[in-house]
Amino acid sequence: DIEMTQAPSSLSASVGDRVTITCRASQSINTYLNWYQLKPGKAPKLLIYDASTFQSGVPSRFSGSGSGTDFTLTITSLQREDFATYSCQQSYITPYTFGQGTKLEIK
Amino acid sequence: QLQLRESGSGLVRPSQTLSLTCAVSGGSISSEGFSWNWLRQAPGKGLEWIGYIYHTGNSYYNPSLKSRVTISVDTSKNQFSLTMTSVTAADTAVYHCARGYYTNYVPHFDSWGPGTLVTVSS
Repeated sequence: DIEMTQAPSSLSASVGDRVTITCRASQSINTYLNWYQLKPGKAPKLLIYDASTFQSGVPSRFSGSGSGTDFTLTITSLQREDFATYSCQQSYITPYTFGQGTKLEIK
Repeated sequence: QLQLRESGSGLVRPSQTLSLTCAVSGGSISSEGFSWNWLRQAPGKGLEWIGYIYHTGNSYYNPSLKSRVTISVDTSKNQFSLTMTSVTAADTAVYHCARGYYTNYVPHFDSWGPGTLVTVSS
């Protein structure tokens, strides 16, 4: 299975900050990398697919980049509703696998 | 707008069978080009993909769970289901259903249910 490793595992930031979360795959996955936002009790939300393509309705402060094994999710000008857990997922090969998550907390 | 919602047994005894259903509304489960997936998140862990099914009934499972899992589809009720046998405490998790949307033959999960907590305990 392809192992997905996210860093950091948790992050404290303030409203208005810019944050970057990284995701590394244990082997090349081309650009088949997706990012999700998770909040307790709510349906997970797809933010970015194919490494850098915005899902419809996602604010432009979210962006993704990368290819091969190294990927990043950047959130510019954090809003209160952005404090959540973020998870990357590879769709290169089954079984599809996820990172362990990055919890973004208010400083 | 597509909506998915999980339902089923919240408490399952060890060695028994877990059964969950995902009701799909706002769209047809028989539409071409989508897969219907089950995923889970155990406490303190990342998400784990369990498997998928197409409206045709073709399915594929995570090899780590394949021996215990069956996913079925009922197009007349616009729903799909998960059955997991011989559960243990390690199967305690929030279970989500999700739609797989394909671009260039590769899926991403674009619509999810809110999840349902399944606890395995005697």
